[in-house]
Amino acid sequence: NAGVTQTPKFRILKIGQSMTLQCTQDMNHNYMYWYRQDPGMGLKLIYYSVGAGITDKGEVPNGYNVSRSTTEDFPLRLELAAPSQTSVYFCASSSTILYTFGSGTRLTVV
Amino acid sequence: AQSVTQPDIHITVSEGASLELRCNYSYGATPYLFWYVQSPGQGLQLLLKYFSGDTLVQGIKGFEAEFKRSQSSFNLRKPSVHWSDAAEYFCAVGFYNTDKLIFGTGTRLQVFP
Repeated sequence: NAGVTQTPKFRILKIGQSMTLQCTQDMNHNYMYWYRQDPGMGLKLIYYSVGAGITDKGEVPNGYNVSRSTTEDFPLRLELAAPSQTSVYFCASSSTILYTFGSGTRLTVV
Repeated sequence: AQSVTQPDIHITVSEGASLELRCNYSYGATPYLFWYVQSPGQGLQLLLKYFSGDTLVQGIKGFEAEFKRSQSSFNLRKPSVHWSDAAEYFCAVGFYNTDKLIFGTGTRLQVFP
């Protein structure tokens, strides 16, 4: 059972480039989330989804977009990368508030 | 304002010593309470959770936590720390009817031999 799979694990982007962080879960969870983790700041919710076709903003959505076309996939899109988006990104899914996290994507914008 | 506070940013203990990590929350109702651990380069793993009932909960890896309503606290404890416990620990709160969690800022635990 793979759980939550994130790709890539590492990425370096130039300012203004775009990319998609992939997230897939195989537990049939309705809820999925994207968090970013910055040193000393804990985890901040970027976007979340309560099911296929339904997404909503979290605490820090600016500069990001998401889609949820299937239960399994919840990609996070960065359209115009900025240095402030340098962070570690975690995808998670949940069932009855029990979360499973992916192993993270470390993104550096230079 | 609603918040989850972990007042200790960094804690250092000797191997074999006892450990207590603090967590306080500020919400009107009693939330669901969680502790997660994050090893370097890894995602978060659930240590334990409190939903209701017995206020002392046992988790994995020998950890326990006690919910104290009067203090709005959910402190994590371990009687004897092992070097492998070095990691970052996050307290989180959640609420009935929503799956969203709010995380504290984390406590980094360093263990000396």
